[in-house]
Amino acid sequence: NAGVTQTPKFRVLKTGQSMTLLCAQDMNHEYMYWYRQDPGMGLRLIHYSVGEGTTAKGEVPDGYNVSRLKKQNFLLGLESAAPSQTSVYFCASTSPVRTSGYNEQFFGPGTRLTVL
Amino acid sequence: AQSVTQLDSHVSVSEGTPVLLRCNYSSSYSPSLFWYVQHPNKGLQLLLKYTSAATLVKGINGFEAEFKKSETSFHLTKPSAHMSDAAEYFCVVSGDTNAGKSTFGDGTTLTVKP
Repeated sequence: NAGVTQTPKFRVLKTGQSMTLLCAQDMNHEYMYWYRQDPGMGLRLIHYSVGEGTTAKGEVPDGYNVSRLKKQNFLLGLESAAPSQTSVYFCASTSPVRTSGYNEQFFGPGTRLTVL
Repeated sequence: AQSVTQLDSHVSVSEGTPVLLRCNYSSSYSPSLFWYVQHPNKGLQLLLKYTSAATLVKGINGFEAEFKKSETSFHLTKPSAHMSDAAEYFCVVSGDTNAGKSTFGDGTTLTVKP
């Protein structure tokens, strides 16, 4: 089991450029999440998905879009990158309580994004 | 609604002395509670979890935490700090009725002095 993987690990963008971050999980989890982590802060939820074909906004969704076309993949898109989006991005997945008994989230290794 | 407050942004201990990282939570539901550790430039690793079974939870690397409902606390402890424990620690609360969303504390930086 690879667990949760993220692609790419590092990326540098110029202001206005676009990119897509890919998250993949092989644990058959229903729920998936995208977070950003900024210095001195905990993780903040950007968007999440409770199943294939469904997405919802989290705490800080502005400037990001997501898609979940397949259960195992969750994509995070930046249409027009801004310096304020310089951050470390983490993907996570979990199962609902009814199947696993708790909402432990499994995290990917992170993507370090710099927007110049 | 749910929230987490980590009461100390920085904790410094000497190697071999006890560690206490404090966490208070608020939740409208029966919460699941977690402690994660993050070493510099690394991802998040689960230390331990509370899921309504035993209130004293043992985790990896000698860490443990006690769930106290009356105090809405979930403090993390370790009897004897090791240099390798120096890292960022996050307390997290989660509940299924909000799509399994987790709320993170702002983190506590643990420094271990030789």
